Amino acid sequence: RKEVEQDPGPFNVPEGATVAFNCTYSNSASQSFFWYRQDCRKEPKLLMSVYSSGNEDGRFTAQLNRASQYISLLIRDSKLSDSATYLCVVLSGGYQKVTFGTGTKLQVIP
Amino acid sequence: DAGVTQSPTHLIKTRGQQVTLRCSPKSGHDTVSWYQQALGQGPQFIFQYYEEEERQRGNFPDRFSGHQFPNYSSELNVNALLLGDSALYLCASSVRGKGGNQPQHFGDGTRLSIL
Repeated sequence: RKEVEQDPGPFNVPEGATVAFNCTYSNSASQSFFWYRQDCRKEPKLLMSVYSSGNEDGRFTAQLNRASQYISLLIRDSKLSDSATYLCVVLSGGYQKVTFGTGTKLQVIP
Repeated sequence: DAGVTQSPTHLIKTRGQQVTLRCSPKSGHDTVSWYQQALGQGPQFIFQYYEEEERQRGNFPDRFSGHQFPNYSSELNVNALLLGDSALYLCASSVRGKGGNQPQHFGDGTRLSIL
């Protein structure tokens, strides 16, 4: 089993739709979680951290479920500019061992 | 405030050669991590440097080595290049400690092609 797993997609959704991505992780001692966005042939960029209590940033909501070892990202009112690959990132250990998921590709269609 | 900078942006090498990639971290960051990203895959962790020492290492052979300098900049060296080493190499910097793991900031990457 991979340390961090994501559905690779692609998710094709119309503008204005709500879309949700999940990411599961295998190391129960994992400490920090993030969502990154990566555009084609560009570097990953931090979208948001994921906190235990859940957190929201505009149209984006991230949640963590430690018991079931998954994190989620919800995007409301999808825009064309949201089209990208969304990478889930899990950090473990004192020296921040970083594990990326393979990414979920989102295509927002006009 | 300069972000993470990497050089070169593109590089073409042949099998068996050696390559050195360079990274300057974001201002104020002291930890540098290197990743390899093959087409269609997520970044794979190579190793991380803090206080000029390798602190964590992913599942990469000894052909991959690195260094961190007193100014926190870092190099990634790959010896005996293989065709499979063709990928985007990403450098990320972060600040260690300060109450928890901090998110990493990425450079634009070096695209390495092996012929």
